[in-house]
Amino acid sequence: GAVVSQHPSRVICKSGTSVKIECRSLDFQATTMFWYRQFPKQSLMLMATSNEGSKATYEQGVEKDKFLINHASLTLSTLTVTSAHPEDSSFYICSAIAGGLAEQYFGPGTRLTVT
Amino acid sequence: AQSVTQPDIHITVSEGASLELRCNYSYGATPYLFWYVQSPGQGLQLLLKYFSGDTLVQGIKGFEAEFKRSQSSFNLRKPSVHWSDAAEYFCAVGSYNNNDMRFGAGTRLTVKP
Repeated sequence: GAVVSQHPSRVICKSGTSVKIECRSLDFQATTMFWYRQFPKQSLMLMATSNEGSKATYEQGVEKDKFLINHASLTLSTLTVTSAHPEDSSFYICSAIAGGLAEQYFGPGTRLTVT
Repeated sequence: AQSVTQPDIHITVSEGASLELRCNYSYGATPYLFWYVQSPGQGLQLLLKYFSGDTLVQGIKGFEAEFKRSQSSFNLRKPSVHWSDAAEYFCAVGSYNNNDMRFGAGTRLTVKP
């Protein structure tokens, strides 16, 4: 149980375009989902926290107009990287928690390359 | 603010040898502590977690970790390492509702044949 999927697993886009990444909880309802960014050989940096039906809470330094997060249902959150640039190239990982439990369940990640 | 320190960036051990990965945390309240493993290009898999109770926690794949409040540590151990254990290991600290989980920088484990 507690499976989180991400789609796509890899995406290449041209500079200036937008790309959407989906995060789904497959077998549970996720009251809260998280988006992380991971640079090569570095740790995970929390970008934002999203609760179903409300606006996402962004970490300091994360541009909310560039990284649009929508958590429209209890099983789906999306991250849209708008007007992507090469410096946005990274590994993006989502996670989800169910109810008040402390454990986060992680998706497999999405490798974004902006050319 | 909570934080996690993993002092060792890279560790190399021989297959069959024992392993200990260090983790120190800073947290104002009772910490919820986690160890995750990440293979290249993959997401994170939970190895074990500590919420309360017995300070020696057993996890998957033969891993265990011990919570030592006096040392603010949560070190990960395995008595005999297998080649398939080569990966990146992350220690994390969070709260009950886990809306503020913080990760350490990670320790990369290389296993020599």
